[in-house]
Amino acid sequence: SQQGEEDPQALSIQEGENATMNCSYKTSINNLQWYRQNSGRGLVHLILIRSNEREKHSGRLRVTLDTSKKSSSLLITASRAADTASYFCATGRGGANSKLTFGKGITLSVRP
Amino acid sequence: KAGVTQTPRYLIKTRGQQVTLSCSPISGHRSVSWYQQTPGQGLQFLFEYFSETQRNKGNFPGRFSGRQFSNSRSEMNVSTLELGDSALYLCASSSGDRTGWNNEQFFGPGTRLTVL
Repeated sequence: SQQGEEDPQALSIQEGENATMNCSYKTSINNLQWYRQNSGRGLVHLILIRSNEREKHSGRLRVTLDTSKKSSSLLITASRAADTASYFCATGRGGANSKLTFGKGITLSVRP
Repeated sequence: KAGVTQTPRYLIKTRGQQVTLSCSPISGHRSVSWYQQTPGQGLQFLFEYFSETQRNKGNFPGRFSGRQFSNSRSEMNVSTLELGDSALYLCASSSGDRTGWNNEQFFGPGTRLTVL
């Protein structure tokens, strides 16, 4: 079963705009990771945020985590056509359990 | 550091056959996890190996099995293939830290399996 649910399912924006994607989950987590996937290829790790963190930045990416609302958001600033991809959030329970539970993903299209 | 490698990249098999997929993790990583990705079910966890032992297992039938070698390389095997096994199989490498915090999992390019 899917733990994370991303919202929206699809997003189309103009190059240079910001893209915000949301993820909600159901059970307690140790961490949440965001991934990008291009055209059915492997997953590229974007960022990991731990349950005791509220915000992290990496280049043009900003991730927030609200454990009280069981939700996370991924913001991509100044988007580029190369950001066109599917984005997934994945939750981890921690400890010796390394299993990640993925959402269904968000399809982002950035128009040149 | 070299990334996660998976071989082969593409496979075509027929129903009833078996298949073995291989994954080489990032150097120094001791944990390898396997995931199946299909359009209908999305990304689903198959199992994880750490130090040659299966540490976690998902909800897949016994036809799906795996192993890990002393150099951390891992193989997964699917026996008696069914049409529904057609999928992208991804392996992920991580340090496997047991202290309580998950570490990043880095994925390979995947093996695209088609069952005819």
